[in-house]
Amino acid sequence: DVKVTQSSRYLVKRTGEKVFLECVQDMDHENMFWYRQDPGLGLRLIYFSYDVKMKEKGDIPEGYSVSREKKERFSLILESASTNQTSMYLCASSPPGRGGLAGQEQYFGPGTRLTVT
Amino acid sequence: DQQVKQNSPSLSVQEGRISILNCDYTNSMFDYFLWYKKYPAEGPTFLISISSIKDKNEDGRFTVFLNKSAKHLSLHIVPSQPGDSAVYFCAASANDMRFGAGTRLTVKP
Repeated sequence: DVKVTQSSRYLVKRTGEKVFLECVQDMDHENMFWYRQDPGLGLRLIYFSYDVKMKEKGDIPEGYSVSREKKERFSLILESASTNQTSMYLCASSPPGRGGLAGQEQYFGPGTRLTVT
Repeated sequence: DQQVKQNSPSLSVQEGRISILNCDYTNSMFDYFLWYKKYPAEGPTFLISISSIKDKNEDGRFTVFLNKSAKHLSLHIVPSQPGDSAVYFCAASANDMRFGAGTRLTVKP
């Protein structure tokens, strides 16, 4: 059974803190993604990675960075958390599609609800 | 700039009837379309997909229709069951994947 796990289900942080969200997949997938989900906006892509040490910006990368040192692990970093980063964060992985990018269905983790106060 | 739009935030249907969820897109480069289902406190799960070379794909109670000229796709669920109550996201893929805002489906017993 395929599995994507995220380090925390709920997280409360203070403004200005550095925040790490961890994601691990056990499917040997090349592609990994970080989204945030907000009411009325759906899922918006923050960053994705199609290989170890590779990363690409999504639609809303500002205020975030990522790290992919191992194939199975993709970390999202909020360098200095702000209240507008309060959201549900979803990690996903997929096997390569056309050109190695998002041509296949993605498998999602359960999400981390982050609150920044 | 939302390239994938789900204009109905919610839909309520009676058990046993048909549910029709709609999705519109603007980017003609999209060539693969997917529907995901999301229960509260869980991540989205893949439901069904369709390639742009087809106009229909069926999997059990779920059928996706694609009208490329209208840049419109729809998901039909028939018959609807209470367990289908969830948020449904439409997604479209070219070099990356774009999601709609979601439609909350409620199936009443």
